Amino acid sequence: EIVLTQSPATLSLSPGERATLSCRASQSVSSLLVWYQQKPGQPPRLLIYDASNRATGIPDRFSGSGSGTDFTLTISGLEPEDCGVYYCQQRSDWPTFGGGTKLEI
Amino acid sequence: EVQLLQSGGGLAQPGGSLRLSCAASGFSFSSYAMSWVRQAPGKGLEWVSSISGSGGGTDYADSVKGRFTIFRDNSKNTLYVQMNNLGAEDTAIYYCAKTPFFDFWSGQSSYFDYWGQGAQVTVSS
Repeated sequence: EIVLTQSPATLSLSPGERATLSCRASQSVSSLLVWYQQKPGQPPRLLIYDASNRATGIPDRFSGSGSGTDFTLTISGLEPEDCGVYYCQQRSDWPTFGGGTKLEI
Repeated sequence: EVQLLQSGGGLAQPGGSLRLSCAASGFSFSSYAMSWVRQAPGKGLEWVSSISGSGGGTDYADSVKGRFTIFRDNSKNTLYVQMNNLGAEDTAIYYCAKTPFFDFWSGQSSYFDYWGQGAQVTVSS
């Protein structure tokens, strides 16, 4: 099983700042890394697939990068509605998810 | 607009059974693999099971293999999971999710582009 480790566990920032979220895989997943946003009481929402491709309707403030074992989700110009928990998922093998990063704004 | 409307869930006794349903609309249901993903209270996400667009291929997490059965009725645009021999560890919110591919596994697994609203499953005596 591929283990995904997300850091930091919690990130507190102000509106307009830039958020940098990290996801590290226990072995290479190539570029097969996905990011989701989840708000309380809601299902996850797809943000980025295959490391750097924005999903339909996702603002260009959200960007993904990385390959192999180290990946980053960057949110530029934070807005209050960006708060929530962000999860990464690998699809190189049977899918596994990271433990999440809680973003507070 | 893609919509996934879940029903079912509730309280089950240990060793009991439940069935969840997920009615899909807004896309060609039979063209896409579908999945179940769960989230235990206060925890992260866990992939549970997937089924190909035709229903001919199914996959399960080891934690549910032999106890859960995923199936679909493409004539009704509905996805199901039959959960048997439930244990406390199965307590979670269960989400149905669409994938962007016909097959869930094709050299690698998939991701989930649309999600249902979730259904609570609680296993307790």
